[in-house]
Amino acid sequence: GENVEQHPSTLSVQEGDSAVIKCTYSDSASNYFPWYKQELGKGPQLIIDIRSNVGEKKDQRIAVTLNKTAKHFSLHITETQPEDSAVYFCAAAHGGGADGLTFGKGTHLIIQP
Amino acid sequence: GAVVSQHPSWVICKSGTSVKIECRSLDFQATTMFWYRQFPKQSLMLMATSNEGSKATYEQGVEKDKFLINHASLTLSTLTVTSAHPEDSSFYICSARIIQGALSTDTQYFGPGTRLTVL
Repeated sequence: GENVEQHPSTLSVQEGDSAVIKCTYSDSASNYFPWYKQELGKGPQLIIDIRSNVGEKKDQRIAVTLNKTAKHFSLHITETQPEDSAVYFCAAAHGGGADGLTFGKGTHLIIQP
Repeated sequence: GAVVSQHPSWVICKSGTSVKIECRSLDFQATTMFWYRQFPKQSLMLMATSNEGSKATYEQGVEKDKFLINHASLTLSTLTVTSAHPEDSSFYICSARIIQGALSTDTQYFGPGTRLTVL
């Protein structure tokens, strides 16, 4: 089955700086890669996703890049703000998102004021 | 749009009892819903895929007789934890896959989760 590795487990950055979280996946058949933000005691919130037919997608301060050859994808957050502090999960799935998700172990992002 | 609700948000029960958790898609129809479990400070693990009008598909290692799933309508899936034990204490989260509407298809939106504590 699919295996998703996520790094780092904890990331501390100064407010205003950029944050990058990286994930690798093992199953070359995976073609859907969402990123979720989870705050304590709440369900995951979709922040951005990318499908295998594109290499990059951007939404305001958030961007995701995908390298299918290397089987890795990354989340980029620019101009970080205190409200960006949370746990971020990457995930991978077959079927363009129609199948269940395999999650990475999460990254605790801490924005230092 | 794309709001998914869960009820209850938290529940405490005695060992041996059964607990039902509801997952509803509020503003869209979902032929497919998924159930995940998350232990403290860990990632989400897929338990089962719930399809409207058919039997659920369980992931390897998940006991189908213990975790009963019913997806009776396009907006409601239920997870019943039968004969609950302390090791079943966890955060149970559902997601719903959008099939129509103004939002993107094949995207999973998650509910707020249900915290189950078995004494």
